Amino acid sequence: DTAVSQTPKYLVTQMGNDKSIKCEQNLGHDTMYWYKQDSKKFLKIMFSYNNKELIINETVPNRFSPKSPDKAHLNLHINSLELGDSAVYFCASSQDSGGSYNEQFFGPGTRLTVL
Amino acid sequence: AQKVTQAQTEISVVEKEDVTLDCVYETRDTTYYLFWYKQPPSGELVFLIRRNSFDEQNEISGRYSWNFQKSTSSFNFTITASQVVDSAVYFCALSEAMNTGFQKLVFGTGTRLLVSP
Repeated sequence: DTAVSQTPKYLVTQMGNDKSIKCEQNLGHDTMYWYKQDSKKFLKIMFSYNNKELIINETVPNRFSPKSPDKAHLNLHINSLELGDSAVYFCASSQDSGGSYNEQFFGPGTRLTVL
Repeated sequence: AQKVTQAQTEISVVEKEDVTLDCVYETRDTTYYLFWYKQPPSGELVFLIRRNSFDEQNEISGRYSWNFQKSTSSFNFTITASQVVDSAVYFCALSEAMNTGFQKLVFGTGTRLLVSP
């Protein structure tokens, strides 16, 4: 049973295209995240949703738009893809226990290559 | 802002050697959480440990142990009798409280551990 799953695992596309990455978790968690890992392995948070509400929105271009239809899903849509968007994108989830910061569980990652 | 420093970019050891991965952090929060994650060559991120700032007890889990020292703002990770399967990038991370009441994770740059047979 996969706890946090992402589709697709690999995404190769041309500059200027629009693409989406989907994430689902079956852990019953109420908080989900998107991270970007660049070619130097640096991991940075992009967005976070708690109970479908946006709670973290880091300095990310407007071309990136997250959407959380329900607590178990968090999708990432990217418009007008650029070469610099090439990276591995990780989805994660955790249970926000109000005052106690719990560990995040990560999906397998989506490797996006923009040509 | 919070900061996590993993000064060792890459460490190479031979199997059965002990190895310590360093993590130094900076925070203004009085309550915070520290984490270690492992990223093997297959690419997934695996949670290893979570420690809150009030619990300075060292932790041991099999061949893994963690040394949390608030006085030096360090949370070091030691692998005893390393094995080839320990080869991975290891990330230290720190929680950062936001004015929304929520927290986010700030990751270090990672240490790549290579264990050769």
